[in-house]
Amino acid sequence: SQKIEQNSEALNIQEGKTATLTCNYTNYSPAYLQWYRQDPGRGPVFLLLIRENEKEKRKERLKVTFDTTLKQSLFHITASQPADSATYLCALPLLSTSGTYKYIFGTGTRLKVLA
Amino acid sequence: NAGVTQTPKFQVLKTGQSMTLQCAQDMNHNSMYWYRQDPGMGLRLIYYSASEGTTDKGEVPNGYNVSRLNKREFSLRLESAAPSQTSVYFCASLTGTASYEQYFGPGTRLTVT
Repeated sequence: SQKIEQNSEALNIQEGKTATLTCNYTNYSPAYLQWYRQDPGRGPVFLLLIRENEKEKRKERLKVTFDTTLKQSLFHITASQPADSATYLCALPLLSTSGTYKYIFGTGTRLKVLA
Repeated sequence: NAGVTQTPKFQVLKTGQSMTLQCAQDMNHNSMYWYRQDPGMGLRLIYYSASEGTTDKGEVPNGYNVSRLNKREFSLRLESAAPSQTSVYFCASLTGTASYEQYFGPGTRLTVT
């Protein structure tokens, strides 16, 4: 069955540095991959989608890469700020028999940006 | 435009009690989802609905039932609550745009004693 792995250990970095989070998956070739941000006590919030034919996607200080050969996505936050501290989840779609997508989420990586 | 709303925010049940978690969205989305989130387990899909009148099982459906009452509302029912169902429950709806963005509700924190 399909499986997603994210580094479950928390990542602590200094303000201003680049944070890099990893999402690995197995037994699957997704059409796209998504990244979400989740703050404590809140629901996840969508950040970015990257498709299988895209190597890289950027949005402001965020950059996502997608290597379908390695079955891996990297999520970068450049010039990190304490406000970027949160848990980041990756999600993969599965096309269901009812014609919609259902999603598998990774366990998330908790990022803490130190001032 | 409230997005996705969930009620209640918190609930404590005794083993064997039943309850229904309510979810509504005002974005005219077709697909809706129920997830549970446990420490170290991530978000796991319980049930989903591609459109009004259809529902399908996700990864962890045992002990739950759902109803897609209309396009806006998707409820999750626990018929006989068990301590293993202690969790945070999130409802989400899926945009029809090319971003395939899921909008999540604020969650319901359920404790079963």
